[in-house]
Amino acid sequence: RKEVEQDPGPFNVPEGATVAFNCTYSNSASQSFFWYRQDCRKEPKLLMSVYSSGNEDGRFTAQLNRASQYISLLIRDSKLSDSATYLCVVNDVDAGNMLTFGGGTRLMVKP
Amino acid sequence: DVKVTQSSRYLVKRTGEKVFLECVQDMDHENMFWYRQDPGLGLRLIYFSYDVKMKEKGDIPEGYSVSREKKERFSLILESASTNQTSMYLCASRIDGRYQPQHFGDGTRLSIL
Repeated sequence: RKEVEQDPGPFNVPEGATVAFNCTYSNSASQSFFWYRQDCRKEPKLLMSVYSSGNEDGRFTAQLNRASQYISLLIRDSKLSDSATYLCVVNDVDAGNMLTFGGGTRLMVKP
Repeated sequence: DVKVTQSSRYLVKRTGEKVFLECVQDMDHENMFWYRQDPGLGLRLIYFSYDVKMKEKGDIPEGYSVSREKKERFSLILESASTNQTSMYLCASRIDGRYQPQHFGDGTRLSIL
C-alpha cells in the first residue's frame, strides 16, 4: 500500500501558540482524508474529516492541497489538553479504499 | 454515536496459550479491522473483514487468525501466544464506502509472559 508520511515530532509549543502539522500522501487518486487524535495509551479518535475546500472546527483547521499531495492541520490558541499524537489518514483507492494511517505527529503543549 | 467494544482492557496470558480477543460494534458496519500498535511502529493491520465469514490478511497476519460469524462481532485469535505478541490491540469498524472514517474500540493491552 502507498505511504502516508508525517513528521513524528515532538512539537513543543507554549499554551496559546498556533501550531501546524503537514502530512504527505503518495497516491494522487486518494479521495478521503482524516485527522485522528490519539492520547497516550488510548485509542485513536476521529478529530475531523478533511474536505477539498478546507474546513474548520473551532480552533482546528484542516486543509487539503491536491496538487502537492499534502493535508495540514492548524491548531490555534493551543491548550494543554491538545497534547496528543495526531494521525493523518488517507484512503487507498488501489486497495479497496482501505484507510492508511500515518505514523503520527506528537504535540506537547507546555504551560 | 458508534460504539466499538473490546472485551478486555488489560489481559495477561502465558506463552503457548490460545488467546481470544473479542470485538463488538453496534452500528451494523460491514467492515471490521484488527490492528496492533507498538511504540515507534504505529498502527499495523493484522486482519480485516468486509462481511460475515469473510476475512483478509493485513500486513502482519502471522501468528494470528480471525473469526467473523456474526456481522457485529470480530474475534482475533492468537493460536499459540508468544512474548513478541505483547502489544496494544485495537479493533475498528467502518461503514463500507470511500468517504467513511474508522471508529476504534478502547484497545486491549495484552501481555504475554
